[in-house]
Amino acid sequence: GAVVSQHPSRVICKSGTSVKIECRSLDFQATTMFWYRQFPKQSLMLMATSNEGSKATYEQGVEKDKFLINHASLTLSTLTVTSAHPEDSSFYICSALETASGGVYPFFGPGTRLTVL
Amino acid sequence: EDQVTQSPEALRLQEGESSSLNCSYTVSGLRGLFWYRQDPGKGPEFLFTLYSAGEEKEKERLKATLTKKESFLHITAPKPEDSATYLCAVRGSGAGTALIFGKGTTLSVSS
Repeated sequence: GAVVSQHPSRVICKSGTSVKIECRSLDFQATTMFWYRQFPKQSLMLMATSNEGSKATYEQGVEKDKFLINHASLTLSTLTVTSAHPEDSSFYICSALETASGGVYPFFGPGTRLTVL
Repeated sequence: EDQVTQSPEALRLQEGESSSLNCSYTVSGLRGLFWYRQDPGKGPEFLFTLYSAGEEKEKERLKATLTKKESFLHITAPKPEDSATYLCAVRGSGAGTALIFGKGTTLSVSS
């Protein structure tokens, strides 16, 4: 199957700082990527849809000025958590769409654990 | 509004004890129902995609089926390494290309 990587896998930062998370599709091109967050024992909640070369589409309740998304190439999307606060601590997971043989297959990265002190 | 409900929330099985996980959904224009496996602290691992009622797919001890209202993930003779959270998600015509997830079923298989 297709491979999606995320970096870093874990990050601890101080309150008020910014953190950048990278999501890469390693063996396919993805015009569309998604960012999710997952709280303990909860399911994945979609934050935003990222399309290469255009502005991201944010879900209701997600602050676009706080969670900056850039999809500069067909294999890379970044999520920057600006002025992070402890309540932003969560597991962030990206997904990239692979389209092959007429199907659409969302593959997920391994996730990034963010802890804000 | 597109919605996905999974049951049970948690399931404990003995090794070799077959069972099924349920995923009920309401979606406008189903464009795919997806099953994933998620281990603690990791991202979801793709298992199956089903597109139309009556479709079935198998992989090792897992078999996924689909009707117009629900999907089942059948686990035959499970092993301890099958322990994980199984997530169901749908992609509908009203949700763009994003997936809507259920809360998952956490499966524990003991030897």
